[in-house]
Amino acid sequence: EVQLLESGGGLVQPGGSLRLSCAASGFTFTKNAMNWVRQAPGKGLEWVSSVSASGGITFYADSVKGRFTISRDNSKNTLYLQMNSLRAEDTATYYCAKEAAAGTIGPDFYGMDVWGQGTTVTV
Amino acid sequence: SYELTQPPSVSVSPGQTASITCSGNKLGDKYTSWYQQKPGQSPVLVIYRDSKRPSGIPERFSGTNSGNTATLTISGTQTIDEADYYCQAWDSNTGVFGTGTKVTVL
Repeated sequence: EVQLLESGGGLVQPGGSLRLSCAASGFTFTKNAMNWVRQAPGKGLEWVSSVSASGGITFYADSVKGRFTISRDNSKNTLYLQMNSLRAEDTATYYCAKEAAAGTIGPDFYGMDVWGQGTTVTV
Repeated sequence: SYELTQPPSVSVSPGQTASITCSGNKLGDKYTSWYQQKPGQSPVLVIYRDSKRPSGIPERFSGTNSGNTATLTISGTQTIDEADYYCQAWDSNTGVFGTGTKVTVL
């Protein structure tokens, strides 16, 4: 079964840091780009960041650029989101999501076909 | 920055057709995906590449994309389709979600 399991959320003071993790299983992690998407309480979905299958290409939303860093460890089948200089507006449930097609990222995308259950960050 | 605009809400009677629009500048030149999210649950991909359905998604879900508007259509809407729906596209290496539409089946 394809599964994504986020962890690392919690309560942090403004200006603080957190590192989210997303453990992947049930598919060949090294073949697919991965994404972070967040949802503030009672609000809509917001794309945060994406990383290519190799980890060599990364994209960020303007709202987090310079503060958040996406990375992956393909030897551990794990995706990360390092969040620094956190603000109240970063309060949200953070989802990791798998890119549907192997080798694609960005405008050539096939959508996010597997999502984790989310981890909550409160600033 | 690029924006995708959806109607806040759509109401439909069971068995009827629901259409949800997603508007953005030259959206028809980009690929669009659609996601369904029920309360307390993670989103589910229902349409990708404008009109393709992932395996396991019922045939009553369909999509089109042309000009400045993408449309998700739910034919023969069922009560289980009541949810929030979000479109998504990419612009200049930035992912963008639509504002979201709450579909009420009554």
